[in-house]
Amino acid sequence: ILNVEQSPQSLHVQEGDSTNFTCSFPSSNFYALHWYRWETAKSPEALFVMTLNGDEKKKGRISATLNTKEGYSYLYIKGSQPEDSATYLCASNDYKLSFGAGTTVTVRA
Amino acid sequence: EPEVTQTPSHQVTQMGQEVILRCVPISNHLYFYWYRQILGQKVEFLVSFYNNEISEKSEIFDDQFSVERPDGSNFTLKIRSTKLEDSAMYFCASGADSGNTIYFGEGSWLTVV
Repeated sequence: ILNVEQSPQSLHVQEGDSTNFTCSFPSSNFYALHWYRWETAKSPEALFVMTLNGDEKKKGRISATLNTKEGYSYLYIKGSQPEDSATYLCASNDYKLSFGAGTTVTVRA
Repeated sequence: EPEVTQTPSHQVTQMGQEVILRCVPISNHLYFYWYRQILGQKVEFLVSFYNNEISEKSEIFDDQFSVERPDGSNFTLKIRSTKLEDSAMYFCASGADSGNTIYFGEGSWLTVV
């Protein structure tokens, strides 16, 4: 099981502001990095799977970058909306997912 | 859109009782997983299953746990004799291959009393 860390644990954002948070993971024997969005009482929703150093992926107002050499990924939310409120999980994949503890984002209207 | 479904959504059981959690993975997927999240803790890997056998399991997945794919569509997790510390949300997941997106069900919340 890989040691995956996410920070901060939680953050509050004003509607319309942009924000970002971090996932760090072991850089040795890296295979893939997954981001999930998890709303209460729903299943985790897959956002991105990233494999290459320097990868950038985008889905609407949410984007992510990947640095496999130093072992971190950033998730960005541009122009936060209340519906972006959720816990964002990252997981490093070595044929199974090792999850971070998540960053819980609360967007205030 | 195809999805992973799990039953029951919530089960309360007495300590020492057997529990079976059921999952229907996405139909063309070949890789199946169980994860759990104890309240306030990280999501933890339990077991992965491919080609009708366990491909990997964690330390959590001891002799009290077993998985089965009895009929080609269901994927079950059995806890033979539940303990209080087994109380958690159990997530089933499936994937078309081991490296790409893994899709999760909504979870089965198990409470052991």
